[in-house]
Amino acid sequence: AQSVTQLDSHVSVSEGTPVLLRCNYSSSYSPSLFWYVQHPNKGLQLLLKYTSAATLVKGINGFEAEFKKSETSFHLTKPSAHMSDAAEYFCVVSDEQSGGSYIPTFGRGTSLIVHP
Amino acid sequence: EAGVAQSPRYKIIEKRQSVAFWCNPISGHATLYWYQQILGQGPKLLIQFQNNGVVDDSQLPKDRFSAERLKGVDSTLKIQPAKLEDSAVYLCASSSRRGDEQFFGPGTRLTVL
Repeated sequence: AQSVTQLDSHVSVSEGTPVLLRCNYSSSYSPSLFWYVQHPNKGLQLLLKYTSAATLVKGINGFEAEFKKSETSFHLTKPSAHMSDAAEYFCVVSDEQSGGSYIPTFGRGTSLIVHP
Repeated sequence: EAGVAQSPRYKIIEKRQSVAFWCNPISGHATLYWYQQILGQGPKLLIQFQNNGVVDDSQLPKDRFSAERLKGVDSTLKIQPAKLEDSAVYLCASSSRRGDEQFFGPGTRLTVL
């Protein structure tokens, strides 16, 4: 069975400093992995996705993530935080099940707080 | 391209009442998802449709929740009767292919009193 663990419920950074949001997953096969962002009172939006191509994935707004199969990790990073990055971030694993279906599983979320 | 539409945006009901939510996915998207997001948690998949067939409903409380997707387009999610613990945001999402990027609607915030 697949699962996702977001290791931090809250991450606090100062504007202009690097961001690291950690995600570990458990999957039986070769999963697809996603990061979504949810701003207050706004819908969930895709940041980036990994689907078995390049292990370093670049997304929107300067975010990127690296797929490390040996560590079963898919951590999200950004070199320099901006105030507008303050939001809830979700790591998602989607693995092919028997029968050909894909069932997405969300992590519990990490709240990113950015201080001026 | 129009996004995923949901209605209503907000709903307040008494426990034991029934409620229904509607979702219109992005045109041409065959896969449709309903999620429940309780405050402070990640979205939990309730049911997934591929066209008008159910792919997965293993986490749907079938004694009180039901969902349908007639003609493989719009979908409705119903709760009957509602319980206090059903208070949550109900999200609808769609994707063009199974396992690919999901596009989310704004959600319906349900409060059960």
